[in-house]
Amino acid sequence: DAKTTQPNSMESNEEEPVHLPCNHSTISGTDYIHWYRQLPSQGPEYVIHGLTSNVNNRMASLAIAEDRKSSTLILHRATLRDAAVYYCILRDNNFNKFYFGSGTKLNVKP
Amino acid sequence: EAGVAQSPRYKIIEKRQSVAFWCNPISGHATLYWYQQILGQGPKLLIQFQNNGVVDDSQLPKDRFSAERLKGVDSTLKIQPAKLEDSAVYLCASSLRGFEQYFGPGTRLTVT
Repeated sequence: DAKTTQPNSMESNEEEPVHLPCNHSTISGTDYIHWYRQLPSQGPEYVIHGLTSNVNNRMASLAIAEDRKSSTLILHRATLRDAAVYYCILRDNNFNKFYFGSGTKLNVKP
Repeated sequence: EAGVAQSPRYKIIEKRQSVAFWCNPISGHATLYWYQQILGQGPKLLIQFQNNGVVDDSQLPKDRFSAERLKGVDSTLKIQPAKLEDSAVYLCASSLRGFEQYFGPGTRLTVT
């Protein structure tokens, strides 16, 4: 199974940008990089995904390294509602399987 | 659009008893996933269905866990008999094309 490595926890101040790193050195050419987040007592929710190019949506931006061995999820202005566990996941494009790691717990301070 | 529905939301049973969880995916979603999430860990895929066929059940403890997806819509996950280490949240997710998974609220199982 493809693996990802993330810091266990990070802290941010409200209304400041947050950069959540992820290493995935064993990524294969057909693996997509997905980010999900899980708010307390809820199921995970989709944030963003990409293959090679940087991606932006209304929730966040995804910056992918040129060699694809790492990526960074960028929250442009953290709010208290962004406090959650963020999972960086590799999706096997051949079988649409997701491999979750332990994630990064983001704490946002007011 | 209605989300993924799961029931029950909470269940407490004694070890060696059996339990079943139900999932109703988003209408039209062909792929359905069951995950087990132990406290403090990320979700672990137990089984993946494509319509009513199994794509992957490599991490499903088949001596005690079973799952089915009749008619390619609803799905049930059963544990029989339950062990203490089965205490976890069981998450169901569905996907239309595989790019996004939509998760239900989960069922929190406590085995005493």
